Amino acid sequence: NAGVTQTPKFRVLKTGQSMTLLCAQDMNHEYMYWYRQDPGMGLRLIHYSVGEGTTAKGEVPDGYNVSRLKKQNFLLGLESAAPSQTSVYFCASSYPLGGAGGPHQETQYFGPGTRLLVL
Amino acid sequence: DQQVKQNSPSLSVQEGRISILNCDYTNSMFDYFLWYKKYPAEGPTFLISISSIKDKNEDGRFTVFLNKSAKHLSLHIVPSQPGDSAVYFCAASGGTYKYIFGTGTRLKVLA
Repeated sequence: NAGVTQTPKFRVLKTGQSMTLLCAQDMNHEYMYWYRQDPGMGLRLIHYSVGEGTTAKGEVPDGYNVSRLKKQNFLLGLESAAPSQTSVYFCASSYPLGGAGGPHQETQYFGPGTRLLVL
Repeated sequence: DQQVKQNSPSLSVQEGRISILNCDYTNSMFDYFLWYKKYPAEGPTFLISISSIKDKNEDGRFTVFLNKSAKHLSLHIVPSQPGDSAVYFCAASGGTYKYIFGTGTRLKVLA
């Protein structure tokens, strides 16, 4: 049981390049999230998904796109990377208390993070 | 506008003493709160949570207190151990699928 895994662990991009970050979970969780962590800013939600085939915007969605084609995977894409997207990206998953559709979630399980540097 | 605030960026405590980490929130719709612990180069891990119907929740050395009227919660660690040295995040939710995180407090427990 690997929990939440993220690929890659570290990446350097040049401005304007594109890339996709992969998050995978093997806990059959309904909900998945992408956060970014910047110094002094805490964790900020980029996009999230409440089920396969559905995605929604979080606090800071601009410049990112996501897809949830399979329940266990949540992809975060940067179409044209900018230096402002230099950050540590965390994926998380959770399952709601009381079953799918409940407003209160069980705790979120986080992946180890992807460190992205955009030059 | 930051809805969840951790006003102390860092805290140092002697081993064996109590560590108290504080968190304030502004949104009265928040009704579920969590604390996460994060070591360097790792993802956050869940520590303890509390629902707004309670004012205290305990789990071993960790206790979370919630004061709804003051919109304030705190995490108490007793006794503090060197392995508790980490960054602690509080997070809040208001019946949605999303959590709002604070900026974190770095705890250093001195041996």
